Amino acid sequence: KAGVTQTPRYLIKTRGQQVTLSCSPISGHRSVSWYQQTPGQGLQFLFEYFSETQRNKGNFPGRFSGRQFSNSRSEMNVSTLELGDSALYLCASSARTGGLYGYTFGSGTRLTVV
Amino acid sequence: SQQGEEDPQALSIQEGENATMNCSYKTSINNLQWYRQNSGRGLVHLILIRSNEREKHSGRLRVTLDTSKKSSSLLITASRAADTASYFCATDENAGGTSYGKLTFGQGTILTVHP
Repeated sequence: KAGVTQTPRYLIKTRGQQVTLSCSPISGHRSVSWYQQTPGQGLQFLFEYFSETQRNKGNFPGRFSGRQFSNSRSEMNVSTLELGDSALYLCASSARTGGLYGYTFGSGTRLTVV
Repeated sequence: SQQGEEDPQALSIQEGENATMNCSYKTSINNLQWYRQNSGRGLVHLILIRSNEREKHSGRLRVTLDTSKKSSSLLITASRAADTASYFCATDENAGGTSYGKLTFGQGTILTVHP
């Protein structure tokens, strides 16, 4: 059974640009969550999607957005990149609502904004 | 925002010794989960303990939960060099409801196991 796949693994962007990250969950998992990890703030929840609907959102500016497709694959987009957006972005999938059995994380996308 | 604190921030031990990490949190929870992260890679789910459970075991892992003190501990017995990683506790906060994918993580404990 394939794990959670995130692409690309590494990305370097310039301030002001936008970026799109992709996440393919485990087959059959319909919930996909996104997290940002930085040395200063740690792991912070961005948003969660289930059956193409955003059900929960963390405390991030509107520059951070996402979507989920009918095959449960998810993308997140960050517009007008800032230096502070440099981080490891992780997505996680779950078969059930609320992570009753825990979440499976991808290896992450390391975004560097210069 | 972070749910709470993990203690210690860093732990260095020899192979074969036990490692204990503690986690405190602030709100009522559905469950508490522990994850491991190797060198900035993805998180690996280790164990989940529900709010109505007090102790749980999985292989060399033992987790306790004290909801009255809002704290949990993770014990790794007979540590190996391969256990070297960062360990995070994470809480599913919406007690009695649904958190919709949101986990709140602690700051983590960096464990180094020397061969």
